[in-house]
Amino acid sequence: EAGVTQFPSHSVIEKGQTVTLRCDPISGHDNLYWYRRVMGKEIKFLLHFVKESKQDESGMPNNRFLAERTGGTYSTLKVQPAELEDSGVYFCASSRQETQYFGPGTRLLVL
Amino acid sequence: QKEVEQDPGPLSVPEGAIVSLNCTYSNSAFQYFMWYRQYSRKGPELLMYTYSSGNKEDGRFTAQVDKSSKYISLFIRDSQPSDSATYLCAITISSGSARQLTFGSGTQLTVLP
Repeated sequence: EAGVTQFPSHSVIEKGQTVTLRCDPISGHDNLYWYRRVMGKEIKFLLHFVKESKQDESGMPNNRFLAERTGGTYSTLKVQPAELEDSGVYFCASSRQETQYFGPGTRLLVL
Repeated sequence: QKEVEQDPGPLSVPEGAIVSLNCTYSNSAFQYFMWYRQYSRKGPELLMYTYSSGNKEDGRFTAQVDKSSKYISLFIRDSQPSDSATYLCAITISSGSARQLTFGSGTQLTVLP
């Protein structure tokens, strides 16, 4: 069974630019989550999809962040415009129920 | 106060030592407890999970939960250099349904050969 995949693995952009991160969950997992770890902090929840619907987006920091999940399959997280404080590692996870399986993360650096 | 507190370490032990990693939490609604292992430049990998107070063993790893004290532990017996990684406790409110995880900050462990 293939694991959670994320693309790109790294992204370096300038402040004010737009970046789109992609996550492909494990096949058959209806639940998809986005988390973020900024430097020196713990991994924090951003949002949770059940199939194509947003179940919980309480962790989204502001309206510069837009997440979508097309047809309940892969998900994208767009940051527009990016700010310096958005730098960090963005993780995606998927699950059938409680047990969440994480992807390798996308390392985002905003200069 | 953070919902989950974890000693960040770093922790350095000789090969073969018993390692104890710990977290405390503040919300008594937390029901489902997990330990993840994260190698450098990789995503968190689930090691163990448990719902209930008491011990759960899997090979060299034992997860312990004390809900009355809001305290969880992970013990690693006969530690190996390959166990060198960051260990994260993660907790969620519900069992039987999917919810967000609340993470500790992670403990960086180095096992010296």
